[in-house]
Amino acid sequence: QVQLVQSGAEVKKPGASVKVSCKVSGYTLTELSMHWVRQAPGKGLEWMGGFDPEDGETIYAQKFQGRVTMTEDTSTDTAYMELSSLRSEDTAVYYCATVSPLNWFDPWGQGTLVTVSS
Amino acid sequence: SYELTQPLSVSVALGQTARITCGGNNIGSKNVHWYQQKPGQAPVLVIYRDSNRPSGIPERFSGSNSGNTATLTISRAQAGDEADYYCQVWDSSTLVVFGGGTKLTVL
Repeated sequence: QVQLVQSGAEVKKPGASVKVSCKVSGYTLTELSMHWVRQAPGKGLEWMGGFDPEDGETIYAQKFQGRVTMTEDTSTDTAYMELSSLRSEDTAVYYCATVSPLNWFDPWGQGTLVTVSS
Repeated sequence: SYELTQPLSVSVALGQTARITCGGNNIGSKNVHWYQQKPGQAPVLVIYRDSNRPSGIPERFSGSNSGNTATLTISRAQAGDEADYYCQVWDSSTLVVFGGGTKLTVL
């Protein structure tokens, strides 16, 4: 059974970057397709991007291209999501989740709250 | 870009049947997945590929998908079913799409 444990809450100033981690257990990261979804306070789910095993590349939602980088450390089975040039609108809970070959998200990490405030 | 439309809220009496819809252009041709999210918790998959339940999800949860509407049905609604529910598809142009979410209230 896959389990995902994310890093703790972060507070950042506008213009800074944040890097959130997602530690995998129960499987190795190379067996999984890891994606990232965020949720602003009181809002819905917003997909940011993730690993496409068909192409072997990471794909990003157009909204975040140029500002987000998703990486993986297979030696520690940890995935990372780094978002740069933070603004107040980036205040949200960020989730990692594994995606099946038929594109459903299961399971999800517990979420990491990122607060952007001056 | 592909869009999914859900009602903002649905109410159901305790023990009755709730139906939450998810509208999209020809959504019947896509695989629809549903998630339950309770306050302060991460989303949980409750239906995948239109009508399949993951292990551990009660049989009271079912799904259907045809034409321009997918539906999540919750039979014999319980207080513990109160949550936000999201539909999701994979689209060739937009890639991952989530509906806006529906708040289910059990009266």
